[in-house]
Amino acid sequence: DGGITQSPKYLFRKEGQNVTLSCEQNLNHDAMYWYRQDPGQGLRLIYYSQIVNDFQKGDIAEGYSVSREKKESFPLTVTSAQKNPTAFYLCASRPIGSGELFFGEGSRLTVL
Amino acid sequence: AQTVTQSQPEMSVQEAETVTLSCTYDTSESDYYLFWYKQPPSRQMILVIRQEAYKQQNATENRFSVNFQKAAKSFSLKISDSQLGDAAMYFCAYRKSLGGATNKLIFGTGTLLAVQP
Repeated sequence: DGGITQSPKYLFRKEGQNVTLSCEQNLNHDAMYWYRQDPGQGLRLIYYSQIVNDFQKGDIAEGYSVSREKKESFPLTVTSAQKNPTAFYLCASRPIGSGELFFGEGSRLTVL
Repeated sequence: AQTVTQSQPEMSVQEAETVTLSCTYDTSESDYYLFWYKQPPSRQMILVIRQEAYKQQNATENRFSVNFQKAAKSFSLKISDSQLGDAAMYFCAYRKSLGGATNKLIFGTGTLLAVQP
């Protein structure tokens, strides 16, 4: 079945460690996005990519990095520079010509 | 900058009744998209309904319909015959029309809907 797969679903890390969240889609969508969700703040855009080998910072990119080496993959690295990384992270994709986003099931990161 | 406001953090409705969730937005654009997404306890966001700003007719999807008031910049969601499975967080979202690399989706803060049996 076509869809977006995020892994891991739950992740714990110690302060000072980098961690990478995986996002894979088999929908053949060109655009991919990473959002962060915190209680009471809705979803905030971290990074997005319109095409392979290109990506743009969103509203809260500091402390995060991404890559887009393949159309189907858009991993997010939460670096030790991110001051408050505990959150729920959602990956999404969008076909060209459509305004609709398709979401993965999310990854919950907890920093101990 | 565009903003989306959901002024109702929580709502409650009796099963089989109707409930309306409010959303207002601010934009200087004339062409854009509006969406309602549902996030159930499983946390996966699901599109409920979408509306293109150039369309005057309100969108409808089964029990879900919107009241789109472009001049007032209002986009409310009506859920008819509420079911227990409708219980979820609902997010209103805005996106500029196609074109350009910065057409990101802007979300409101969400409304948590409880459905009482």
